[in-house]
Formats: sequence, C-alpha cells, structure tokens
Amino acid sequence: ETGVTQTPRHLVMGMTNKKSLKCEQHLGHNAMYWYKQSAKKPLELMFVYNFKEQTENNSVPSRFSPECPNSSHLFLHLHTLQPEDSALYLCASSQDVSINEQFFGPGTRLTVL
Amino acid sequence: LAKTTQPISMDSYEGQEVNITCSHNNIATNDYITWYQQFPSQGPRFIIQGYKTKVTNEVASLFIPADRKSSTLSLPRVSLSDTAVYYCLVSSGTYKYIFGTGTRLKVLA
Repeated sequence: ETGVTQTPRHLVMGMTNKKSLKCEQHLGHNAMYWYKQSAKKPLELMFVYNFKEQTENNSVPSRFSPECPNSSHLFLHLHTLQPEDSALYLCASSQDVSINEQFFGPGTRLTVL
Repeated sequence: LAKTTQPISMDSYEGQEVNITCSHNNIATNDYITWYQQFPSQGPRFIIQGYKTKVTNEVASLFIPADRKSSTLSLPRVSLSDTAVYYCLVSSGTYKYIFGTGTRLKVLA
C-alpha cells in the first residue's frame, strides 16, 4: 500500500545531529499526524495538522519540530535528541480530523546513539 | 477521553473464529469505536468502525451492545497471517486518538 510514504525507513543519528523525517500522502486527505511508538508501548500521538494548520501538540519536547508545508507533506525535524527518543515514528493521514479512519505509513525506525 | 481495556494476548488455531473484547466503560455519547490491526514494524491498518449494534465488512464484524460499554471484534476463520496486534480505540470528532496496549493475537497452525 503506497497511500502514505515515509522516508527514510531507518535512521541512526547521534545526539548532536540534526535530521528530518518526511511523510507524503497521495490520498487527497486534509489531516496528517505524527505518532511515536516505543518498544512495548502504545502509540503516542505527537502532532496533528488539519489543512496545514497545527491543531494538536501533545506536550512534545521542543527537540521535535513539525512542519506541514501543504496538505500532502509533513516533516518532523529532529535535533539534540536523546537515546530514549529511539522509536518507530509513524505518520498517518485522514480525510479530516473527525472520526474518519486513519491511513498509516510504514514508519521510520529511529535509533539515537 | 474514554479509556479502553483489552486482553494482553490471545492464541487461536487456524480456521477458528476469534473474538476480542474491549471494555470502554466511560464511553461518551459522541464516541465511535474503531479497531486497527498492526503487524511488526508496520503502521496500524484500519479494520472496522461502529457506533452501535453490529457492523460487518469483508474482513471482520464488530458487535456493540446497547450500553456501548464494550465491543467485540470478531475475525472469522483466522489464518496465520492474522497474527498481529489488534487495537481498540474510542474517540469522538476531536482527533484525540489514543491507542492502548492492544491485544497480541497469535494464530497457530
């Protein structure tokens, strides 16, 4: 399924590095989301964008900086991360921010050394 | 926000029907119930959604009693490829999706 793509699929970075995760959806949706999934923990909602506007920041540390230039693209900029930030980062989209089903990308497996 | 409770894990054999129950005692009037499936190192995939009574699609059925305090996902005739984690979500139109720990289903040959 290629409705939501994420790059890179795997990323290893040091604590002083700056990197970005990219998400693109080809479904014509208006809402996009970032989730974090740590080992053996539930998915945690991080950010929500609706029509390019951020509508939710779920108390995420400032070392994670989202960007949504248009309804099809979503970025997560990373800087000075900690080892505990190592996780699977998932992007999702939905038609809007109501109860519609979300379509998830394959995720980026991030390892912070 | 309604909190959900599911069994941590379940085992089943190929060809059997599997029922996974989710408790959501403080579900709100506007909340819908949604189930997702997740394979290792992949994003969750939508299975089914309902508000009350019964919903059926090509892969599953969702049973919701009148009080809506629980719901049951029914997977008919499971196969090995149905081995995954299944999440129950309860949410209204406020995009506050909260995934619980899910139920790890293992299908045995």
